Amino acid sequence: NAGVTQTPKFRVLKTGQSMTLLCAQDMNHEYMYWYRQDPGMGLRLIHYSVGEGTTAKGEVPDGYNVSRLKKQNFLLGLESAAPSQTSVYFCASKTYSGNTIYFGEGSWLTVV
Amino acid sequence: GENVEQHPSTLSVQEGDSAVIKCTYSDSASNYFPWYKQELGKRPQLIIDIRSNVGEKKDQRIAVTLNKTAKHFSLHITETQPEDSAVYFCAASSGKGGSNYKLTFGKGTLLTVNP
Repeated sequence: NAGVTQTPKFRVLKTGQSMTLLCAQDMNHEYMYWYRQDPGMGLRLIHYSVGEGTTAKGEVPDGYNVSRLKKQNFLLGLESAAPSQTSVYFCASKTYSGNTIYFGEGSWLTVV
Repeated sequence: GENVEQHPSTLSVQEGDSAVIKCTYSDSASNYFPWYKQELGKRPQLIIDIRSNVGEKKDQRIAVTLNKTAKHFSLHITETQPEDSAVYFCAASSGKGGSNYKLTFGKGTLLTVNP
């Protein structure tokens, strides 16, 4: 049981490039989330999903897109990366009825 | 939407002293309040949580109190140890249909325990 797994863990992008972060969970959780963490800003919600095939915007959605084609996977896409998107990205998941959310190990993204 | 304020942003204590971190929230519909600990370079991990129908919860050296009327909750760590040094985040959860699916975090408190 791996929990929540994020790929890749580290990536350096040039401004304007695109990339996709993959989150996979093997706990059969309904809800999945993408957060970004910046110094002094805490964890801010980018997008979330309450079930397969559904997504919704969080607090800071601009510049990102997401997809949840399979229940166990939640993809975060950057179509045209900007230096302001340099951050640590955390994926998380939880069951429908439970309260606890479980985080992945994080993905460190640098945009130069 | 929900807004969570957390204070202080940094806290330094001597080993063995107590540490208190305070948070306020804005949405009166929020009913679940977890605290996460994040060590350097690691993922946030849940250390304790409290629901809105409970005023206080304790787990060994860690306790959380909730004042729903004032919309604030606090984390108390007693007999601090160097391994308690980390960033602590409070959060408030709310959602539709009885499912608390949206978690809003405070900006974090860097706790340093000096030996």
